Amino acid sequence: GENVEQHPSTLSVQEGDSAVIKCTYSDSASNYFPWYKQELGKRPQLIIDIRSNVGEKKDQRIAVTLNKTAKHFSLHITETQPEDSAVYFCAARVFNKFYFGSGTKLNVKP
Amino acid sequence: GAVVSQHPSWVICKSGTSVKIECRSLDFQATTMFWYRQFPKQSLMLMATSNEGSKATYEQGVEKDKFLINHASLTLSTLTVTSAHPEDSSFYICSARPRASVNEQFFGPGTRLTVL
Repeated sequence: GENVEQHPSTLSVQEGDSAVIKCTYSDSASNYFPWYKQELGKRPQLIIDIRSNVGEKKDQRIAVTLNKTAKHFSLHITETQPEDSAVYFCAARVFNKFYFGSGTKLNVKP
Repeated sequence: GAVVSQHPSWVICKSGTSVKIECRSLDFQATTMFWYRQFPKQSLMLMATSNEGSKATYEQGVEKDKFLINHASLTLSTLTVTSAHPEDSSFYICSARPRASVNEQFFGPGTRLTVL
C-alpha cells in the first residue's frame, strides 16, 4: 500500500508565527491529499484538501502545496493562534483508500 | 449534515470474548466505510474498507477472521473483534464516504476498547 511520511512529529511555535508541516508519499497513483485536524479526544476533521491536478490551494490562514514530481505536499498555517493547537494528519488517497501520515502535534504558545 | 456515530464509545471486555462496534451514517448514505485503528499518540492505521453489500477488503497484516466487518446497509457497518486479547486494546475509529462523493470521508467519534 501507500506509504505516507510526515514531519515534524512535534512543532512548537509562538502565536502569530507560521507553521509548516511536510508529507511525502510513495504511490504515484495517489490523487487526493486531505489534511485533518484532531483535537484531544475528538474525531479528525478535514481542514483542507488538494487534488493531484492542482499545485496550491488556500483557505484563509491555511494553504496546501503539492509537488507531484517530488511526491510531497505541505500544510502552511499563517498567523497561528492558540486554538490551532492540535494534532494534524496528512493523508493520501489511492484506489479508494486513505493512508495517513504519523501526525504532527502543533503547540501554539500564547 | 454528514454525521457519523459509533457505538459504544468505550467498552471493557475480558480476554477471549468478542466485541461488536457499530458505525452509522446518520444523515447520508455511505457506500463505503473505512475502519481505522489508532494507538495512543499515533496515526490512524487503515484496517479495512467496507463496501455496502460486498465483502470487506483488508489491509496487509490485518486478520480478517479476527476483525469481522459487515456492511449490511448504506448506513451501517459493524466491526466485531473476535476472541479479543489485551493487544487488541486500542481506539477504533470508522469513517463513512457519502454516495455522491469520491473524496470525502466523515469520521465517527471512535470507540475505546480495553481488553483485560
